Amino acid sequence: DAGVIQSPRHEVTEMGQEVTLRCKPISGHNSLFWYRQTMMRGLELLIYFNNNVPIDDSGMPEDRFSAKMPNASFSTLKIQPSEPRDSAVYFCASSSKLADTDTQYFGPGTRLTVL
Amino acid sequence: AQSVTQLDSQVPVFEEAPVELRCNYSSSVSVYLFWYVQYPNQGLQLLLKYLSGSTLVESINGFEAEFNKSQTSFHLRKPSVHISDTAEYFCAVSEILSYGKLTFGQGTILTVHP
Repeated sequence: DAGVIQSPRHEVTEMGQEVTLRCKPISGHNSLFWYRQTMMRGLELLIYFNNNVPIDDSGMPEDRFSAKMPNASFSTLKIQPSEPRDSAVYFCASSSKLADTDTQYFGPGTRLTVL
Repeated sequence: AQSVTQLDSQVPVFEEAPVELRCNYSSSVSVYLFWYVQYPNQGLQLLLKYLSGSTLVESINGFEAEFNKSQTSFHLRKPSVHISDTAEYFCAVSEILSYGKLTFGQGTILTVHP
């Protein structure tokens, strides 16, 4: 398996622009997680899905952030409008309770810089 | 709700010395326990995990961790570290009956000096 795939790997944008981050989970995994990592705040869980349904979005910082999972093989995290404080590395992870007992597999991350 | 505390934010050691990274957790239900490692500019990778059975679990690169239920701890140890072990290490827990959400500790940066 190719593992969790994230795109783009790097994104540089200007304040006010819309940013869309993409994630393809491991085939057969039914849970998907979005994290944000910064030096100041460490690793934060933003939102997670189970069987394509959002379970907990309490970590989403503001209404500017939204996430979707239209099918089992694709998810997006959108920031609109973006702000400099959104600069961070965003990770996607997937897991399967049945196949691998909650072990989360992380993608390589998207490094977002908002100027 | 569960929580995880990693007692040391940074641990500097010399090469070939032993190391212990401490992790304590709290939860009102049964949990699974994990250690993840993050090398610079990479995502998190699973190092080892405790699900059930033997309380001592090992990784392929010489790390081990012991689940201590009475002390609610899951400390990570290695008897002799290498320069290549320099990384950030995260302890995490998940509730057995949850959707697989992991609660992570704050991370411990291990720096191995020559």
